[in-house]
Amino acid sequence: GAGVSQSPSNKVTEKGKDVELRCDPISGHTALYWYRQSLGQGLEFLIYFQGNSAPDKSGLPSDRFSAERTGGSVSTLTIQRTQQEDSAVYLCASSSTSASSETQYFGPGTRLLVL
Amino acid sequence: AQSVTQPDIHITVSEGASLELRCNYSYGATPYLFWYVQSPGQGLQLLLKYFSGDTLVQGIKGFEAEFKRSQSSFNLRKPSVHWSDAAEYFCAVGAFGNEKLTFGTGTRLTIIP
Repeated sequence: GAGVSQSPSNKVTEKGKDVELRCDPISGHTALYWYRQSLGQGLEFLIYFQGNSAPDKSGLPSDRFSAERTGGSVSTLTIQRTQQEDSAVYLCASSSTSASSETQYFGPGTRLLVL
Repeated sequence: AQSVTQPDIHITVSEGASLELRCNYSYGATPYLFWYVQSPGQGLQLLLKYFSGDTLVQGIKGFEAEFKRSQSSFNLRKPSVHWSDAAEYFCAVGAFGNEKLTFGTGTRLTIIP
């Protein structure tokens, strides 16, 4: 079956512009995660959605970052007024349940470059 | 707070040689431990995971890892590496009731002929 897909694969933007990154999880997966991978860094947790529950936003680095998940499926991560330090690879993952022992399946990521 | 340390940023191994990648974690409760591999331009793929039972875990692609509670370690091993194993390897820790994984900074593996 189809895996997690993300679009765009690459995004170049100017400082101060807003960007939207999209994630399509595996069909039927109820849990969805966003991570950020900066150069030389591990993956940094950003936000987590589980079903219809309120998302866990504890990892969002600033109020310029927001995310939503419509209909329990597709998710969009929005970065407003982008800064150069936002340049990174943004990875989305989904899992069949929210149990922490469940495997998270990752998409290929969106590489964001802020000039 | 939980944390993961991968002390080796970059490792170079000859094809056919054995491999061990180190991972140390810090967590108060019983951890769930994962190893993921990321090939260039690809997302992360799960190699193996541990959350209970036998402390020696077998994974895909011939990898295994051993959970050692006394050393807070979960090292990844492979008896004989192949050129296709060249990639970035990430160790991660989670726990029951905590859905967020904490990842290490990764170890980049280079394979030489």
